[in-house]
Amino acid sequence: GQQLNQSPQSMFIQEGEDVSMNCTSSSIFNTWLWYKQDPGEGPVLLIALYKAGELTSNGRLTAQFGITRKDSFLNISASIPSDVGIYFCAGQLTGTYKYIFGTGTRLKVLA
Amino acid sequence: NAGVTQTPKFQVLKTGQSMTLQCAQDMNHNSMYWYRQDPGMGLRLIYYSASEGTTDKGEVPNGYNVSRLNKREFSLRLESAAPSQTSVYFCASISGGTDTQYFGPGTRLTVL
Repeated sequence: GQQLNQSPQSMFIQEGEDVSMNCTSSSIFNTWLWYKQDPGEGPVLLIALYKAGELTSNGRLTAQFGITRKDSFLNISASIPSDVGIYFCAGQLTGTYKYIFGTGTRLKVLA
Repeated sequence: NAGVTQTPKFQVLKTGQSMTLQCAQDMNHNSMYWYRQDPGMGLRLIYYSASEGTTDKGEVPNGYNVSRLNKREFSLRLESAAPSQTSVYFCASISGGTDTQYFGPGTRLTVL
């Protein structure tokens, strides 16, 4: 099946540091979504990207839709303890209603 | 506006039992989805319904059936549960204008 490579798998950072994670694929997507999932909850949408090259911010979060349409990154600036959780990327396959998810980046913030 | 709701929140089944997971959305979305989430595997698409009256298989449809009862409701049925179906199941729907997907809170299923 389709694969989305998400990295890093996990990371420990100090409070106040910036964080960067990315997703790459062999397939072309026409939408990229970034989600955060807290334990015992469903994924919550953080940022949605709809055009190649698009750079979008949501507070301390910034995400970009890669020019090749096969990758995306998410940056979190000045991390705080409540940023702890699992972050997922998801791409919508071109011409379909299907979304493919990355395996997640588990973020832990050390106060 | 409750968004996407799922019932039940938790369920324990014995091997061979059947059950239906319910999902409803009140956002007037056309497309609805069922995913399963296993540790370290991310979310995998089981079935989806692009619009009322249509359903299609995703990555891992074996052992499941779905029904798009109306525009609001999309149910997932396990006819004969197996331990390999122990997972967390999420329902989602799409906002047609932006193709943005919203998730329910999940159903945690254990098959013994």
